[in-house]
Amino acid sequence: EDQVTQSPEALRLQEGESSSLNCSYTVSGLRGLFWYRQDPGKGPEFLFTLYSAGEEKEKERLKATLTKKESFLHITAPKPEDSATYLCAVLTMEYGNKLVFGAGTILRVKS
Amino acid sequence: DTAVSQTPKYLVTQMGNDKSIKCEQNLGHDTMYWYKQDSKKFLKIMFSYNNKELIINETVPNRFSPKSPDKAHLNLHINSLELGDSAVYFCASSPSIRLANIQYFGAGTRLSVL
Repeated sequence: EDQVTQSPEALRLQEGESSSLNCSYTVSGLRGLFWYRQDPGKGPEFLFTLYSAGEEKEKERLKATLTKKESFLHITAPKPEDSATYLCAVLTMEYGNKLVFGAGTILRVKS
Repeated sequence: DTAVSQTPKYLVTQMGNDKSIKCEQNLGHDTMYWYKQDSKKFLKIMFSYNNKELIINETVPNRFSPKSPDKAHLNLHINSLELGDSAVYFCASSPSIRLANIQYFGAGTRLSVL
C-alpha cells in the first residue's frame, strides 16, 4: 500500500533559524511528488512538484528536493508568515491522478 | 474570483439528517475530486470525476453519493449522517487525469454532526 510519512509532526523555529522538513514515501511507481501549504481554515495551496530523483525547486525561502525515497523542504531564514502546515503528497501509477497525502508538519515561526 | 468554491463553509446538523455540499470550479478543468480531512489532519481522497464520469471511488460508505451535473460542478450528498462523518471536506480540481497535474483546492466545508 502506498504510504507517505512526514516528520517532524510539529516544528517551532525562531525567525531566521533555517531547518528542513522530511517526507518519506513508499509507493508502487511514483509519478510525482507535491508540496502544499495549508493555512488554518483554508484549503491546501500548491507549492512545488518534483518528478525525478535529483530534481530541485525553489520559491522565495523554500527549496524542495527529491531522492528515490524521500523529499525535503528546506526553509531558509524563515519569517513568521511562513507558519503553516506543510503537506507532502505523492501521485502514484494508479489511474485517476490519485494523490496520497502525508499527515503534514505544523511549522510555527516566532519573531 | 475564486477558482474552486465550496458551499457552505460550515455545516452543523443532527445525526440521521441528509445534507449536501456543493462545489464549482471556474478553471475549465476536466477533473474534480472530493477529499476528507479528519481531526488528525489526514487528507484522504474519496471520489474523482473526469468529464462527469466517476474515475476514483475509494472505500467510502454508500451513504456518500457524488453527483456531477457538468464538468464544472461536483456535489457531495450525504445520507443518514453519523457522528464519524464530522470532518472538513475539500473539493479540488485539476486540468486532466492523464498527467501529473497540480490539484487546486477549495477552502473546505467543516461538517459537524451532533
